[in-house]
Amino acid sequence: EIVMTQSPATLSVSPGERATLSCRASQSVSSNLAWYQQKPGQAPRLLIYAASTRATGIPARFSGSGSGTEFTLTISSLQSEDFAVYYCQQYNNWPLTFGGGTKVEIK
Amino acid sequence: EVQLVESGGGLVQPGGSLRLSCAASGFTFSNYWMHWVRQAPGKGLVWVSRLNSDGGSSNYADSVRGRFTISRDNAKNTLYLQMNSLRAEDTAVYYCAREPSISGTFFDYWGQGTLVTVSS
Repeated sequence: EIVMTQSPATLSVSPGERATLSCRASQSVSSNLAWYQQKPGQAPRLLIYAASTRATGIPARFSGSGSGTEFTLTISSLQSEDFAVYYCQQYNNWPLTFGGGTKVEIK
Repeated sequence: EVQLVESGGGLVQPGGSLRLSCAASGFTFSNYWMHWVRQAPGKGLVWVSRLNSDGGSSNYADSVRGRFTISRDNAKNTLYLQMNSLRAEDTAVYYCAREPSISGTFFDYWGQGTLVTVSS
């Protein structure tokens, strides 16, 4: 099973600042990586797939990069609605696995 | 508008059974592979099971294989998860999720989830 490790666990950021979230895979997942946003009491929402492709309707301030074992989600200028938990998920190997999440909180 | 609405959750004793349903609308359900993903209270996301579009091929996480069965009724646009021999560690919100038709096993739409609590 591929283990996905996200860091940091919590990121404190001021509105308008840039946020950089990391996701590391225990072995290569090529570019088969997705990012999701989850707000309290809500279902996850797809942000990015194929490591860097924004899903339909996702604002351009969200961007993904990386391949192999190292991936990054960048939020260029945090808006109030972006404070949430973010998960990465690999789909290169079975079983599908998620990272433990990064909580982005207001500084 | 794509909608996935789960139901069937509740409180069940260890060793008991429960069947979850996920009613789909707003898209051609029979064209899509579907999944169940769960989230224990305060924890992260864990993939549970996948079913192909015609219901003939399924996959399971090791933790549920042999106890859970995924199925679908394309005439009713509904996905199911039959859960038997439930354990305390199965306590979670269960989400159904759609796998998009483009290449890749990720999830483009999720339901709001249904809570399953296994406790005596």
